[in-house]
This record gives sequence, structure tokens and C-alpha cells, in this order.
Amino acid sequence: NAGVTQTPKFQVLKTGQSMTLQCAQDMNHEYMSWYRQDPGMGLRLIHYSVGAGITDQGEVPNGYNVSRSTTEDFPLRLLSAAPSQTSVYFCASSYAGDQPQHFGDGTRLSIL
Amino acid sequence: GNSVTQMEGPVTLSEEAFLTINCTYTATGYPSLFWYVQYPGEGLQLLLKATKADDKGSNKGFEATYRKETTSFHLEKGSVQVSDSAVYFCALTSFSGGYNKLIFGAGTRLAVHP
Repeated sequence: NAGVTQTPKFQVLKTGQSMTLQCAQDMNHEYMSWYRQDPGMGLRLIHYSVGAGITDQGEVPNGYNVSRSTTEDFPLRLLSAAPSQTSVYFCASSYAGDQPQHFGDGTRLSIL
Repeated sequence: GNSVTQMEGPVTLSEEAFLTINCTYTATGYPSLFWYVQYPGEGLQLLLKATKADDKGSNKGFEATYRKETTSFHLEKGSVQVSDSAVYFCALTSFSGGYNKLIFGAGTRLAVHP
């Protein structure tokens, strides 16, 4: 009964480094999304996917890449980390875009 | 575009007090409306939802009514407990680019004291 699993839970990077945040779900959901949470700004959509092989940009996509090769996995890649990307990142999944989303526990990322 | 506005926090209450967290929205069409709750160190959990005008969502003593005439979805609870301390997010569905997405408000932190 795992739901949405995010790894790692915490990460510290230096400016310019790259890394991948992992997200996996075991509910056979077609819709997956990545958000970042910053104080006073709620959750902002970075990228989303409506099924394997289909991704699209959200509200704040710059500096991030995604791919969706399987239904279960939706990794988020930071190509060249910047201090402005310091945030808490949440992955979520649902049956469809207008259905309640199931969230992972988040990844707290600090860029020095 | 579609957007959600929540009252600013923090909201500080004593145990057994009445809670209202205001949420208003701007949207085209007929979005679904949601309240999510985030406990410390955790992800968001769905608290309740409403999919059409005049629907009332309810869960764990919390209620919210979809008011199309005032474009509001205020969260209420008659008697709060310390365990209700969390951040509450109002959200709506937004259709753009061919797909539905969720738009979140900024969140309202609730602190309940014994």
C-alpha cells in the first residue's frame, strides 16, 4: 500500500550540479505531476503527464526536465541547479486531471 | 486565468473554537473545488471536495459549500482540536492546453492551542 513514493527525502546540491528526483506510484494512475512549494506561494505546477510518453509544461517549467517512459515512474531532472530552485518538491498522481490527487511526502532540496 | 485566493494566516484558535478559512476563486466554466490539508513534514491529503454549485463537501467534521454566486468555498469546523493544526489549501480544477490541472491557493496555517 505504498501510494506515491518520492526519493530522496532531503538533498543538498551545489550550484551547477544536476540531479534527478524520483517519483513512483503503484495505483496505475495515468495522471502524474510535479509541484514546488515555496513559503506564501502555495503549490506551483512544474510539469505534468497524462500518460506514458506524454508530458507538458506547467506554470514554472524552466530549469526542469521530465520524461514518462512507464505508467509508474515520473522523474524530475534539474539540469544545472540554481539557488532559486531551493524548495520542497511534491509529486502527485490521480486517475485524471480533475480527480483528487495523491501526494508523496516530498523532497526538501537546498541549493548552495 | 483561473486562480484561488485564501485568507492569510496564521489562524490561531483555542481548542473547541469555531473555524472558518475563507476561499474565493476566479474561474471560467464550472470547476471542481477541493480542500487539502498538510500536516507537518507530510504531503498534502485530500480533505473534501465539491463538483458542482450548492454541493457540500464534508469530512472529519469539516464542511465547505460550493457557492457559485459568491465564487466561494469557505472551510468550516464547529469545534477544532489540537490535532487539526496544519496548513490548509484550497484548490480548483483548471482546463487549459487540452487537460485539467489543479490550481492551489497559497495555503492557510492553523494553530490550535489547548
